[in-house]
Amino acid sequence: EPEVTQTPSHQVTQMGQEVILRCVPISNHLYFYWYRQILGQKVEFLVSFYNNEISEKSEIFDDQFSVERPDGSNFTLKIRSTKLEDSAMYFCASSETGIFSGANVLTFGAGSRLTVL
Amino acid sequence: AQSVTQLDSHVSVSEGTPVLLRCNYSSSYSPSLFWYVQHPNKGLQLLLKYTSAATLVKGINGFEAEFKKSETSFHLTKPSAHMSDAAEYFCVVSDHGTYKYIFGTGTRLKVLA
Repeated sequence: EPEVTQTPSHQVTQMGQEVILRCVPISNHLYFYWYRQILGQKVEFLVSFYNNEISEKSEIFDDQFSVERPDGSNFTLKIRSTKLEDSAMYFCASSETGIFSGANVLTFGAGSRLTVL
Repeated sequence: AQSVTQLDSHVSVSEGTPVLLRCNYSSSYSPSLFWYVQHPNKGLQLLLKYTSAATLVKGINGFEAEFKKSETSFHLTKPSAHMSDAAEYFCVVSDHGTYKYIFGTGTRLKVLA
């Protein structure tokens, strides 16, 4: 069964450093997403991406964050100048169809746990 | 605004007994509703989805959920729990016209031998 693959599974970084989390979506999917889950809290939407641009973002997704699809397979989340409160599990997801084709069903990766010290 | 409430943070059942995980939602429009499961060190796996077709939705591994608009509920059930069902379960709502999923806080299911 096709999977969304995320690397690294766990990253520890110092406050103020830049972090890049990587994702390989399912190959025929066109829509890409990042979600995060701070320990003990809900899974929260960060951003959706289609056709090489952001299609929707939450209020969490400020200038500290950016996303990119640098090639035909990878989808990255960059966090600049990390803060303690950025410590969380970050989930990448992809979907084949978007919001105008019935239910938009997401396939999620296993997550990347980011710890900021 | 959309929201989801999972009424139980932890549920324990004995193997072979029924499972009921409760979810209530709030949505301004005709929502899509989902249940996802997360096993340790695994991704969020789709169990089932509701998209305004049949109100009783069957999913994988013997799970099903019933959409009740009058009660704004989408409870997940399974007739007989198996040890492998032990995991965290998330109820999710998505309104028409948005890419955003709204997650509940999750219910951790424990299955006792």
